[in-house]
Amino acid sequence: AQSVTQPDIHITVSEGASLELRCNYSYGATPYLFWYVQSPGQGLQLLLKYFSGDTLVQGIKGFEAEFKRSQSSFNLRKPSVHWSDAAEYFCAVGTIQAGTALIFGKGTTLSVSS
Amino acid sequence: EPEVTQTPSHQVTQMGQEVILRCVPISNHLYFYWYRQILGQKVEFLVSFYNNEISEKSEIFDDQFSVERPDGSNFTLKIRSTKLEDSAMYFCASSATANTGELFFGEGSRLTVL
Repeated sequence: AQSVTQPDIHITVSEGASLELRCNYSYGATPYLFWYVQSPGQGLQLLLKYFSGDTLVQGIKGFEAEFKRSQSSFNLRKPSVHWSDAAEYFCAVGTIQAGTALIFGKGTTLSVSS
Repeated sequence: EPEVTQTPSHQVTQMGQEVILRCVPISNHLYFYWYRQILGQKVEFLVSFYNNEISEKSEIFDDQFSVERPDGSNFTLKIRSTKLEDSAMYFCASSATANTGELFFGEGSRLTVL
């Protein structure tokens, strides 16, 4: 079955510390992987995506993610977290084809402490 | 920056009532989607729409749901006879014709069924 697992429901990180949010997927076809962020009162915003090529992808707001096929993982990282990064983060898997469904994980809520 | 807008932001309704959620996708996008997120659960795909017909739908999207593009700008989700379990945040999204896999989401409409 196709699925996305985000093992961490809630993570608290100190401002300036590094961050890693975990994502594992199960997908029958070639996976196209996404990370979305949802700030309070906002819609889902695309942080980054992986389709092919270099397995380390860079996104907006200083985020990066690494695709590891052998581990079926697509973990999101940031070297130094800012208070404005507090939000909910969703990993998703799908196809590149427009009109098809994305499968989302349950999300990880990130809190940033000062 | 172009954005997807949704109305209402919050609607409270009685069980059995009909609800229409409205979305204005990004103007040059041709693929439209509805997703929902029940509190504490995953963001789930409901339906995608292209060229005035449904492209793909999930098993959640049963006969009580319908979608329509009544004019050149709006995209609506109708729930004919709401149930308690329809209480959720409903997200509209749109994507361009190019197969980039990127969806642009609205801020969501929170539906509460009493």
